[in-house]
Amino acid sequence: NAGVTQTPKFQVLKTGQSMTLQCAQDMNHEYMSWYRQDPGMGLRLIHYSVGAGITDQGEVPNGYNVSRSTTEDFPLRLLSAAPSQTSVYFCASSYIAGNYGYTFGSGTRLTVV
Amino acid sequence: DQQVKQNSPSLRVQEGRISILNCDYTNSMFDYFLWYKKYPAEGPTFLISISSIKDKNEDGRFTVFLNKSAKHLSLHIVPSQPGDSAVYFCAASSSGAGSYQLTFGKGTKLSVIP
Repeated sequence: NAGVTQTPKFQVLKTGQSMTLQCAQDMNHEYMSWYRQDPGMGLRLIHYSVGAGITDQGEVPNGYNVSRSTTEDFPLRLLSAAPSQTSVYFCASSYIAGNYGYTFGSGTRLTVV
Repeated sequence: DQQVKQNSPSLRVQEGRISILNCDYTNSMFDYFLWYKKYPAEGPTFLISISSIKDKNEDGRFTVFLNKSAKHLSLHIVPSQPGDSAVYFCAASSSGAGSYQLTFGKGTKLSVIP
């Protein structure tokens, strides 16, 4: 089925470890983004990309790194995991031309111990 | 400073009645507003949107109303069904630089009681 695929669904990391959350979409969407959802905080934008080779920071970018080498993929890297990064992470995509109906992935639940 | 506010963390409604979910915003540059629905263990799904040039948009049982002077929007669900039980997020964006960034509220958990 067409959509946004996130892997893994669950992950436990030790403080200081690094890892990459994967996101792939098969809808040829130019815009992709990463959000984190914390209890009582709603969804907060981490990083976004308006096309291959172009990325920018969102509201809470510290501790995360992204790259966009292809239209389809937008991985999120945690450089040195901290307990404050325990959260549910969502990847989203949309067409660039004013379509704000983002398609979200099903999320990655990350716990940092 | 929270730019999109959903002041009701939860709402309980009887099946068949109307559900009204409210959202307030503070940024006068916002000109496009959306509602997303989220079930547990799933990603949010787009529900309905409205541009600031309109004051109402309707899609089946779902209607969004926008009051720009009050910086307030609301989502009406009529009639409410048990399958509508979910967390609803209000989101907003502006058509200026960085226009593809959505600012989300904290969400309202709707429970529709059979």
